[in-house]
Amino acid sequence: AQKVTQAQTEISVVEKEDVTLDCVYETRDTTYYLFWYKQPPSGELVFLIRRNSFDEQNEISGRYSWNFQKSTSSFNFTITASQVVDSAVYFCALRSNFGNEKLTFGTGTRLTIIP
Amino acid sequence: DTGVSQDPRHKITKRGQNVTFRCDPISEHNRLYWYRQTLGQGPEFLTYFQNEAQLEKSRLLSDRFSAERPKGSFSTLEIQRTEQGDSAMYLCASSPTYRADTQYFGPGTRLTVL
Repeated sequence: AQKVTQAQTEISVVEKEDVTLDCVYETRDTTYYLFWYKQPPSGELVFLIRRNSFDEQNEISGRYSWNFQKSTSSFNFTITASQVVDSAVYFCALRSNFGNEKLTFGTGTRLTIIP
Repeated sequence: DTGVSQDPRHKITKRGQNVTFRCDPISEHNRLYWYRQTLGQGPEFLTYFQNEAQLEKSRLLSDRFSAERPKGSFSTLEIQRTEQGDSAMYLCASSPTYRADTQYFGPGTRLTVL
């Protein structure tokens, strides 16, 4: 069985602060994909990043960075110099690389950036 | 590319009524997925199509739920004899053959059963 845990239910930070969203996953698969999605108040899930379990390199995209550590089954997401537009619910998700194509989501972290 | 579209965006119905939702995937995406999201939770997988074929169904998809994708393009999700517990956001996603691992989501249909 696959499981994704996002222990932080809600986080509030003041604008321009850095913030890290935690994601811990469980899977018996040897290869898999990890994702982060953003869900703004409008409701649409916006794809942010996909990471193959073979690739443990960290990634940076503008103010966003991701830290994948297979040894601790974690895939954390950091926003640097946060902005009000970053306010949303963020979901971490897991997908097996074999057969089953469903995404298993965590319960999400609601991030509020205070101006 | 036009994104995934869903219709209607909101639906209010009375318990016991039937409802149908439509999803139009991104053009040329051959995979289409349905998820359900309740308040404060992450989306949960319901079913998945590859072209016209429905390849996987979750145990969440009771016999009151049926999904179709008759021509391998748009899909419909029907709920018969709705119950209050069916109130949720119904999300559709699609992915292309060449990058089947990444799913792109539509805006969702919010269902409220009174």
